[in-house]
Amino acid sequence: DGGITQSPKYLFRKEGQNVTLSCEQNLNHDAMYWYRQDPGQGLRLIYYSQIVNDFQKGDIAEGYSVSREKKESFPLTVTSAQKNPTAFYLCASSILRGQDNSNQPQHFGDGTRLSIL
Amino acid sequence: EDQVTQSPEALRLQEGESSSLNCSYTVSGLRGLFWYRQDPGKGPEFLFTLYSAGEEKEKERLKATLTKKESFLHITAPKPEDSATYLCAVRGASGSARQLTFGSGTQLTVLP
Repeated sequence: DGGITQSPKYLFRKEGQNVTLSCEQNLNHDAMYWYRQDPGQGLRLIYYSQIVNDFQKGDIAEGYSVSREKKESFPLTVTSAQKNPTAFYLCASSILRGQDNSNQPQHFGDGTRLSIL
Repeated sequence: EDQVTQSPEALRLQEGESSSLNCSYTVSGLRGLFWYRQDPGKGPEFLFTLYSAGEEKEKERLKATLTKKESFLHITAPKPEDSATYLCAVRGASGSARQLTFGSGTQLTVLP
C-alpha cells in the first residue's frame, strides 16, 4: 500500500539535544511538508520541499532543519535552539498539480509526538 | 494574509442528529478549500476539495458545500464512528506549494 511513514511514533528529547524525525513516502509525490500541531491551534508549516536538494522555510522554521537528498525522504531535525519542541509533528506529501492543473490535496502520515524529558 | 476560522470548537450530537460544521475563510483568490478528518493520535485524512462557490461534494454521511466566504460540512444521521476532529484548510492565489492555511478544527463527538 502506498503511503507516508513517520517514525518514531513517540520521541523524547533531553535538554541541549538534537533529535531527528523520519518521514518516508512511496507515493512518488514531488512535494513534502512538515507541520507542527499544538492543542487548540491549526497546523503550522515548518518547512517544505518541492524538489530534491531544495527546500524552503515555512512560518515557524526557527530551531528546525531539514534535508531532501531523496525524493522519498524528508527528515526533520529539531535542534537545541527550539526552546518549546513539545508538539505533534506531521509530515505530508502531494503532487504539485493534477492533470487538469488543479491544486492537489496534501496527504499526511500518522505523526510523531515529541516531548521533553 | 489568509485566515480560516472554524466553528464551533466542539460539538456533541446524539446518534442520528444531523448538524453542520462551519469554516469561514479570508483568502486572496481561492485556489482550493480542503476538508480533513483527524482521529486522536493520527494524521489528518483527506475528505474533499472544493474549488468554486456553489460546488458540493458528498461522501457517505458527509456533504461539503462552498460559498464565497465559507464552507459547511453537513453531517446527516451521524454515527459514533463519525466522532473525530474535522479540519478545514485553504490555498490562495498567491500560493506556491506551501500556502495551505489550516483552521483549528471542530471536535465532533457522536453519542450512541
